[in-house]
Amino acid sequence: DAGVTQSPTHLIKTRGQHVTLRCSPISGHKSVSWYQQVLGQGPQFIFQYYEKEERGRGNFPDRFSARQFPNYSSELNVNALLLGDSALYLCASSRTDYSNQPQHFGDGTRLSIL
Amino acid sequence: GESVGLHLPTLSVQEGDNSIINCAYSNSASDYFIWYKQESGKGPQFIIDIRSNMDKRQGQRVTVLLNKTVKHLSLQIAATQPGDSAVYFCADLDSGGSYIPTFGRGTSLIVHP
Repeated sequence: DAGVTQSPTHLIKTRGQHVTLRCSPISGHKSVSWYQQVLGQGPQFIFQYYEKEERGRGNFPDRFSARQFPNYSSELNVNALLLGDSALYLCASSRTDYSNQPQHFGDGTRLSIL
Repeated sequence: GESVGLHLPTLSVQEGDNSIINCAYSNSASDYFIWYKQESGKGPQFIIDIRSNMDKRQGQRVTVLLNKTVKHLSLQIAATQPGDSAVYFCADLDSGGSYIPTFGRGTSLIVHP
């Protein structure tokens, strides 16, 4: 079975632009979460979605938004990009929104802001 | 949220040795813990998890130990191989609270052949 897939794998943007990152969860998984990982740090939680509803939000500004589609895939949108948004953006999926089960991660989108 | 930290940022071992990676957590309500392995250019890969009603769990070549009294967990890797070289993260969650797993900075494991 395919794992979590993310696209694109790499992206270069300039300050002020917006970006859309995409994620397809593992088949049968209904929950998708987004994380930001800055070089040398652990992943920081941004959002969790389950059944198209937002179930959790981390400490990120309103420039960050996301949604989940009926097929459980998800998009992360970031507006008015800043240099500090340069990071690896990870998507993770799990079967349900129960917090006592592991999430499975994709290989991420490397976003560079110039 | 509460922070999860790792004691050692880098651990160097010889191939064939056993490795122990430590992790401290601060949220006393955390009851579910996960270890992830992240290789260069890849996303974190699930290794093993443990719930707070256990103090030890074994997988293939890996063992996780949980000490709730001192809020500490460790990952033991037996007969470490060069392919084990990666950054290892622990994460903790409060399954009765909000679903926001907290990751530490990670420990870089370097295995010398």
